[in-house]
Amino acid sequence: KAGVTQTPRYLIKTRGQQVTLSCSPISGHRSVSWYQQTPGQGLQFLFEYFSETQRNKGNFPGRFSGRQFSNSRSEMNVSTLELGDSALYLCASSLASQAGTDTQYFGPGTRLTVL
Amino acid sequence: QKEVEQNSGPLSVPEGAIASLNCTYSDRVSQSFFWYRQYSGKSPELIMSIYSNGDKEDGRFTAQLNKASQYVSLLIRDSQPSDSATYLCAVISRAAGNKLTFGGGTRVLVKP
Repeated sequence: KAGVTQTPRYLIKTRGQQVTLSCSPISGHRSVSWYQQTPGQGLQFLFEYFSETQRNKGNFPGRFSGRQFSNSRSEMNVSTLELGDSALYLCASSLASQAGTDTQYFGPGTRLTVL
Repeated sequence: QKEVEQNSGPLSVPEGAIASLNCTYSDRVSQSFFWYRQYSGKSPELIMSIYSNGDKEDGRFTAQLNKASQYVSLLIRDSQPSDSATYLCAVISRAAGNKLTFGGGTRVLVKP
């Protein structure tokens, strides 16, 4: 079974621009979560989508948004990019068979650099 | 207090020895616990999950959970240079809305 895929793998943007990242979950997985990883802050939860609805949200500003499509694929968008948004953005998928026990599997990530 | 805490390391162990990693969590009603391994520049990969008190073994890895003391540990037996990576502890807590919260990770260096 194919793993979680993310596109693009690398991205360079300038301040003020916006960016859209894509994630395709493992086949049959209905939940997609997004994380930001930086050397200083570690892995931080952005949001989780299940059945096209945002089920959980972390403490990030409204510039960070996401959505999920009927095939469970998900996108996240960051508007008005700041230098501090430079990070590895990770997507993880899970079956969502039972809340609170799900194992999440990560994609390879998108490395975003903001200049 | 951070929700999930780990010693950042590096934890240096000789090849063939046992590496012992610890993780503590603050939410007493946490219900699911995971260990991930992350190589530099790569994404986290699942090592194992544990849900009940006690030990769980998978190959050279053993996870130990003690909910009363709010800690979970990972033992790596017969450590190999390929085990050199950052190990992330993650916890699902009802109090945090069932989201997965990560510790900062422990860097492990296995020296030949």
